[in-house]
Amino acid sequence: LAKTTQPISMDSYEGQEVNITCSHNNIATNDYITWYQQFPSQGPRFIIQGYKTKVTNEVASLFIPADRKSSTLSLPRVSLSDTAVYYCLVGDFGSSGSARQLTFGSGTQLTVLP
Amino acid sequence: SAVISQKPSRDICQRGTSLTIQCQVDSQVTMMFWYRQQPGQSLTLIATANQGSEATYESGFVIDKFPISRPNLTFSTLTVSNMSPEDSSIYLCSVEGRIQETQYFGPGTRLLVL
Repeated sequence: LAKTTQPISMDSYEGQEVNITCSHNNIATNDYITWYQQFPSQGPRFIIQGYKTKVTNEVASLFIPADRKSSTLSLPRVSLSDTAVYYCLVGDFGSSGSARQLTFGSGTQLTVLP
Repeated sequence: SAVISQKPSRDICQRGTSLTIQCQVDSQVTMMFWYRQQPGQSLTLIATANQGSEATYESGFVIDKFPISRPNLTFSTLTVSNMSPEDSSIYLCSVEGRIQETQYFGPGTRLLVL
Protein backbone atom coordinates (compact mmCIF):
# COMPACT_ATOMS: atom_id res chain seq x y z
CA LEU A 1 0.00 0.00 0.00
CA ALA A 2 1.30 3.42 -0.91
CA LYS A 3 1.36 5.27 2.40
CA THR A 4 1.16 9.04 2.43
CA THR A 5 2.75 11.59 4.73
CA GLN A 6 1.47 15.13 5.09
CA PRO A 7 2.06 17.97 7.54
CA ILE A 8 -0.44 17.78 10.40
CA SER A 9 -1.34 21.46 10.21
CA MET A 10 -0.67 24.69 8.36
CA ASP A 11 -1.67 28.28 8.94
CA SER A 12 -2.07 30.92 6.27
CA TYR A 13 -3.57 34.35 5.79
CA GLU A 14 -6.34 35.34 3.47
CA GLY A 15 -5.18 36.07 -0.06
CA GLN A 16 -2.02 34.01 0.18
CA GLU A 17 -1.15 30.98 -1.90
CA VAL A 18 -0.97 27.77 0.10
CA ASN A 19 1.07 24.74 -0.89
CA ILE A 20 0.54 21.40 0.87
CA THR A 21 3.01 18.66 0.05
CA CYS A 22 2.31 14.96 0.35
CA SER A 23 5.02 12.28 0.30
CA HIS A 24 4.23 8.87 -1.20
CA ASN A 25 7.53 7.09 -1.73
CA ASN A 26 5.98 3.70 -2.50
CA ILE A 27 3.59 4.84 -5.20
CA ALA A 28 2.87 2.14 -7.78
CA THR A 29 2.62 2.48 -11.54
CA ASN A 30 -1.20 2.20 -11.56
CA ASP A 31 -1.73 4.63 -8.67
CA TYR A 32 -3.46 7.97 -9.07
CA ILE A 33 -2.94 10.89 -6.68
CA THR A 34 -6.18 12.39 -5.42
CA TRP A 35 -6.82 15.21 -2.98
CA TYR A 36 -9.96 15.70 -0.91
CA GLN A 37 -11.19 18.53 1.30
CA GLN A 38 -13.26 17.96 4.41
CA PHE A 39 -15.17 20.55 6.40
CA PRO A 40 -16.43 19.77 9.91
CA SER A 41 -19.61 17.71 9.93
CA GLN A 42 -19.36 16.94 6.21
CA GLY A 43 -18.02 14.10 4.10
CA PRO A 44 -14.80 14.61 2.15
CA ARG A 45 -15.12 16.38 -1.19
CA PHE A 46 -12.97 15.71 -4.26
CA ILE A 47 -10.65 18.59 -5.17
CA ILE A 48 -8.22 17.41 -7.82
CA GLN A 49 -6.50 14.35 -9.22
CA GLY A 50 -3.35 13.74 -11.18
CA TYR A 51 -1.08 11.03 -12.43
CA LYS A 52 2.02 12.98 -13.44
CA THR A 53 3.15 16.53 -14.26
CA LYS A 54 0.76 19.38 -13.49
CA VAL A 55 -3.01 19.50 -13.33
CA THR A 56 -5.09 22.62 -12.84
CA ASN A 57 -8.80 23.09 -12.33
CA GLU A 58 -10.98 25.94 -11.16
CA VAL A 59 -10.07 25.55 -7.49
CA ALA A 60 -6.52 24.18 -7.29
CA SER A 61 -3.38 23.01 -9.01
CA LEU A 62 -1.55 19.76 -8.44
CA PHE A 63 2.17 19.48 -9.10
CA ILE A 64 3.70 16.03 -9.46
CA PRO A 65 7.44 15.58 -10.10
CA ALA A 66 8.73 13.04 -12.58
CA ASP A 67 9.45 10.39 -9.94
CA ARG A 68 5.88 10.75 -8.54
CA LYS A 69 7.14 10.21 -4.98
CA SER A 70 5.47 13.39 -3.82
CA SER A 71 2.78 15.82 -4.87
CA THR A 72 1.93 19.39 -3.97
CA LEU A 73 -1.57 20.79 -3.77
CA SER A 74 -1.60 24.52 -4.48
CA LEU A 75 -4.52 26.68 -3.42
CA PRO A 76 -4.33 30.18 -4.90
CA ARG A 77 -5.44 33.17 -2.82
CA VAL A 78 -7.08 31.29 0.02
CA SER A 79 -10.05 32.67 1.92
CA LEU A 80 -11.45 31.93 5.36
CA SER A 81 -13.79 29.37 3.80
CA ASP A 82 -10.81 27.26 2.73
CA THR A 83 -10.21 26.34 6.37
CA ALA A 84 -10.57 22.56 6.29
CA VAL A 85 -8.71 19.28 6.47
CA TYR A 86 -7.00 18.26 3.22
CA TYR A 87 -6.30 14.61 2.49
CA CYS A 88 -3.91 13.14 -0.07
CA LEU A 89 -4.80 9.64 -1.30
CA VAL A 90 -2.69 7.42 -3.52
CA GLY A 91 -3.88 4.21 -5.15
CA ASP A 92 -6.65 2.75 -7.24
CA PHE A 93 -9.71 0.53 -6.81
CA GLY A 94 -7.88 -2.47 -8.23
CA SER A 95 -9.47 -5.34 -10.08
CA SER A 96 -11.84 -6.15 -7.21
CA GLY A 97 -13.24 -2.65 -6.90
CA SER A 98 -12.05 -2.09 -3.34
CA ALA A 99 -11.08 1.17 -1.67
CA ARG A 100 -8.53 -0.70 0.47
CA GLN A 101 -5.55 0.92 -1.24
CA LEU A 102 -7.03 4.40 -1.05
CA THR A 103 -6.09 4.95 2.57
CA PHE A 104 -6.90 8.21 4.29
CA GLY A 105 -3.86 9.43 6.20
CA SER A 106 -3.95 11.97 8.97
CA GLY A 107 -4.61 14.86 6.59
CA THR A 108 -3.50 18.47 6.90
CA GLN A 109 -5.57 20.91 8.92
CA LEU A 110 -5.36 24.21 7.05
CA THR A 111 -6.37 27.26 9.04
CA VAL A 112 -6.80 30.49 7.13
CA LEU A 113 -6.51 33.57 9.30
CA PRO A 114 -7.96 37.02 8.55
CA SER B 1 -21.53 14.42 -9.19
CA ALA B 2 -23.69 11.85 -7.45
CA VAL B 3 -25.99 13.01 -4.67
CA ILE B 4 -25.78 10.80 -1.62
CA SER B 5 -28.08 10.93 1.37
CA GLN B 6 -27.78 9.14 4.66
CA LYS B 7 -30.38 8.42 7.30
CA PRO B 8 -30.39 9.15 10.13
CA SER B 9 -28.13 12.18 10.11
CA ARG B 10 -27.50 11.68 13.80
CA ASP B 11 -28.70 9.53 16.64
CA ILE B 12 -28.16 8.89 20.31
CA CYS B 13 -28.43 5.24 21.28
CA GLN B 14 -28.20 3.12 24.38
CA ARG B 15 -25.47 0.54 24.72
CA GLY B 16 -26.47 -2.95 23.67
CA THR B 17 -28.87 -1.77 20.99
CA SER B 18 -28.39 -1.73 17.21
CA LEU B 19 -28.74 1.02 14.64
CA THR B 20 -29.18 0.67 10.90
CA ILE B 21 -27.81 3.46 8.73
CA GLN B 22 -29.16 3.91 5.23
CA CYS B 23 -27.27 5.24 2.23
CA GLN B 24 -29.19 6.31 -0.86
CA VAL B 25 -27.60 7.41 -4.15
CA ASP B 26 -29.37 9.29 -6.93
CA SER B 27 -27.72 7.21 -9.66
CA GLN B 28 -26.76 3.59 -10.17
CA VAL B 29 -23.30 2.72 -8.91
CA THR B 30 -21.45 -0.55 -8.61
CA MET B 31 -18.95 0.34 -5.92
CA MET B 32 -20.04 1.51 -2.50
CA PHE B 33 -17.95 1.85 0.63
CA TRP B 34 -18.56 2.38 4.33
CA TYR B 35 -16.19 4.37 6.53
CA ARG B 36 -15.92 5.30 10.17
CA GLN B 37 -14.47 8.57 11.39
CA GLN B 38 -13.91 8.85 15.11
CA PRO B 39 -13.86 12.31 16.68
CA GLY B 40 -10.86 14.29 15.51
CA GLN B 41 -9.52 11.39 13.48
CA SER B 42 -9.17 10.42 9.86
CA LEU B 43 -11.45 8.07 7.95
CA THR B 44 -11.11 4.30 8.32
CA LEU B 45 -12.56 1.93 5.74
CA ILE B 46 -14.99 -0.55 7.28
CA ALA B 47 -16.04 -2.51 4.21
CA THR B 48 -16.63 -2.55 0.48
CA ALA B 49 -20.21 -3.28 -0.53
CA ASN B 50 -20.24 -3.79 -4.28
CA GLN B 51 -23.52 -4.80 -5.83
CA GLY B 52 -23.59 -8.42 -6.86
CA SER B 53 -21.04 -9.66 -4.36
CA GLU B 54 -20.69 -10.19 -0.63
CA ALA B 55 -19.40 -7.28 1.37
CA THR B 56 -15.69 -7.48 2.13
CA TYR B 57 -14.52 -6.24 5.50
CA GLU B 58 -11.25 -4.64 6.48
CA SER B 59 -9.07 -5.82 9.32
CA GLY B 60 -10.70 -5.09 12.65
CA PHE B 61 -14.26 -5.09 11.32
CA VAL B 62 -16.47 -8.18 11.24
CA ILE B 63 -19.82 -8.97 9.68
CA ASP B 64 -21.47 -9.86 12.99
CA LYS B 65 -20.76 -6.38 14.32
CA PHE B 66 -21.32 -4.43 11.10
CA PRO B 67 -23.71 -6.35 8.83
CA ILE B 68 -24.18 -4.71 5.45
CA SER B 69 -26.90 -5.03 2.84
CA ARG B 70 -26.66 -3.99 -0.80
CA PRO B 71 -29.98 -4.89 -2.39
CA ASN B 72 -29.60 -2.77 -5.54
CA LEU B 73 -27.40 -0.29 -7.35
CA THR B 74 -28.64 2.78 -5.48
CA PHE B 75 -28.98 1.69 -1.85
CA SER B 76 -27.07 0.13 1.03
CA THR B 77 -27.41 -0.23 4.77
CA LEU B 78 -24.85 -0.60 7.52
CA THR B 79 -25.96 -1.88 10.91
CA VAL B 80 -23.93 -1.18 14.02
CA SER B 81 -24.84 -4.07 16.32
CA ASN B 82 -24.72 -4.43 20.08
CA MET B 83 -23.37 -0.91 20.41
CA SER B 84 -20.94 0.30 23.04
CA PRO B 85 -19.66 3.83 23.69
CA GLU B 86 -16.57 2.98 21.61
CA ASP B 87 -18.84 2.86 18.54
CA SER B 88 -19.54 6.58 18.88
CA SER B 89 -18.34 7.93 15.56
CA ILE B 90 -19.37 9.40 12.27
CA TYR B 91 -20.26 6.73 9.73
CA LEU B 92 -19.96 7.68 6.07
CA CYS B 93 -20.85 5.93 2.88
CA SER B 94 -19.18 6.67 -0.42
CA VAL B 95 -19.53 5.59 -4.03
CA GLU B 96 -17.24 5.53 -7.03
CA GLY B 97 -16.82 8.88 -8.71
CA ARG B 98 -17.05 9.67 -12.40
CA ILE B 99 -13.32 10.39 -12.44
CA GLN B 100 -11.29 7.20 -12.12
CA GLU B 101 -10.29 6.10 -8.63
CA THR B 102 -12.28 8.86 -6.92
CA GLN B 103 -15.22 8.77 -4.55
CA TYR B 104 -18.29 10.82 -3.69
CA PHE B 105 -19.08 10.84 0.01
CA GLY B 106 -22.34 11.11 1.84
CA PRO B 107 -22.84 13.65 4.62
CA GLY B 108 -22.30 11.08 7.34
CA THR B 109 -24.31 9.76 10.28
CA ARG B 110 -23.19 11.02 13.66
CA LEU B 111 -23.71 8.33 16.29
CA LEU B 112 -23.41 8.74 20.04
CA VAL B 113 -23.71 5.67 22.23
CA LEU B 114 -24.40 6.20 25.91
